[in-house]
Amino acid sequence: DAGVIQSPRHEVTEMGQEVTLRCKPISGHDYLFWYRQTMMRGLELLIYFNNNVPIDDSGMPEDRFSAKMPNASFSTLKIQPSEPRDSAVYFCASSTGANYGYTFGSGTRLTVV
Amino acid sequence: RKEVEQDPGPFNVPEGATVAFNCTYSNSASQSFFWYRQDCRKEPKLLMSVYSSGNEDGRFTAQLNRASQYISLLIRDSKLSDSATYLCVVHKGSNYKLTFGKGTLLTVNP
Repeated sequence: DAGVIQSPRHEVTEMGQEVTLRCKPISGHDYLFWYRQTMMRGLELLIYFNNNVPIDDSGMPEDRFSAKMPNASFSTLKIQPSEPRDSAVYFCASSTGANYGYTFGSGTRLTVV
Repeated sequence: RKEVEQDPGPFNVPEGATVAFNCTYSNSASQSFFWYRQDCRKEPKLLMSVYSSGNEDGRFTAQLNRASQYISLLIRDSKLSDSATYLCVVHKGSNYKLTFGKGTLLTVNP
């Protein structure tokens, strides 16, 4: 099993640019989660999907953030326009249900300058 | 009150020491509990689930006290490789979200 795969591993972009983060969940996992981690706030849930359908996006900071899951094997998190305060590590995780915990990808370290 | 609160740490202990981390959660409807481990600049990884009767996995023991809404993790005979941040995690049950504490940093010294 290849685990949860995220790309890119690192992203440095200028303020105002569009950023797209990608995630491939573990095959057979029907839940997909996007988290953001900073020193100040820890791990924050942004949005999660069940069977490709967004269930709860209450953690998405503002309209600049959007997420899609066009099929069971792919999801994107887009920030447009990006701002310096968006700098963080973004993790994707997948699961068969919260009772079993999540498996995280290796994350995307985003720096907006 | 935060949903999940942990000892702020950091904890610095010598090899072979026993160390305990504590965690409290605010929502009494919480149903599932976990400890995750996160190495520096890596992703969180599931260390162990926490069961009502308490459970042990080698040198690691997890305890749950639902009445006090309190979770603990005990590490015996600490190894250098145990150095990491330990995250307390709670699942409420009415949805599929896990809520993470901010973590406690452990450094085991030779």
